[in-house]
Amino acid sequence: KQEVTQIPAALSVPEGENLVLNCSFTDSAIYNLQWFRQDPGKGLTSLLLIQSSQREQTSGRLNASLDKSSGRSTLYIAASQPGDSATYLCAGGFNAGGTSYGKLTFGQGTILTVHP
Amino acid sequence: DGGITQSPKYLFRKEGQNVTLSCEQNLNHDAMYWYRQDPGQGLRLIYYSQIVNDFQKGDIAEGYSVSREKKESFPLTVTSAQKNPTAFYLCASSILGYEQYFGPGTRLTVT
Repeated sequence: KQEVTQIPAALSVPEGENLVLNCSFTDSAIYNLQWFRQDPGKGLTSLLLIQSSQREQTSGRLNASLDKSSGRSTLYIAASQPGDSATYLCAGGFNAGGTSYGKLTFGQGTILTVHP
Repeated sequence: DGGITQSPKYLFRKEGQNVTLSCEQNLNHDAMYWYRQDPGQGLRLIYYSQIVNDFQKGDIAEGYSVSREKKESFPLTVTSAQKNPTAFYLCASSILGYEQYFGPGTRLTVT
């Protein structure tokens, strides 16, 4: 059974700090990994998608990496701002017989607070 | 505007009643998904559909049913057999194997 774990469960940092959120997964047959942001009471906003053939993806101040051999992904946020405060979720899409069914297995999320 | 809509935003029902949650997308995606989110438990997959007129059970399908008669629509029915239906329900769609896009969610409260 695929499992996705996120550490830490919560993180509080001062504005301007660079930070790293961690995601680990137990199944090396990962097809892709997606990072999301969720604001309280809202749906999920996709931040970055890394396909298994890629090592990293970047969007603005965000950089996500994927290491299949170690079963880890990291989300790096540069120069954090109070507006970055949200819950960050990672989710893995895992192969079944070489075909992605598109299903995602989610971690429980990291609650990020960036204080002024 | 392209996107995913879910309605209603809030839904209240009495125990023992079936209720249907709506999910519509105009992104021309083949695949659609329903997830349930509970506090402290992350998102769990209820049902998914890769193509019209076909769908599969996810990890927690008991007490739920779906249909996929049109590409753009994937309604979820929460039946009276679901023991703990109060939750936040999220619908998503994607091109299979690519980025999933989520709707705004429906918060269901059953008393």
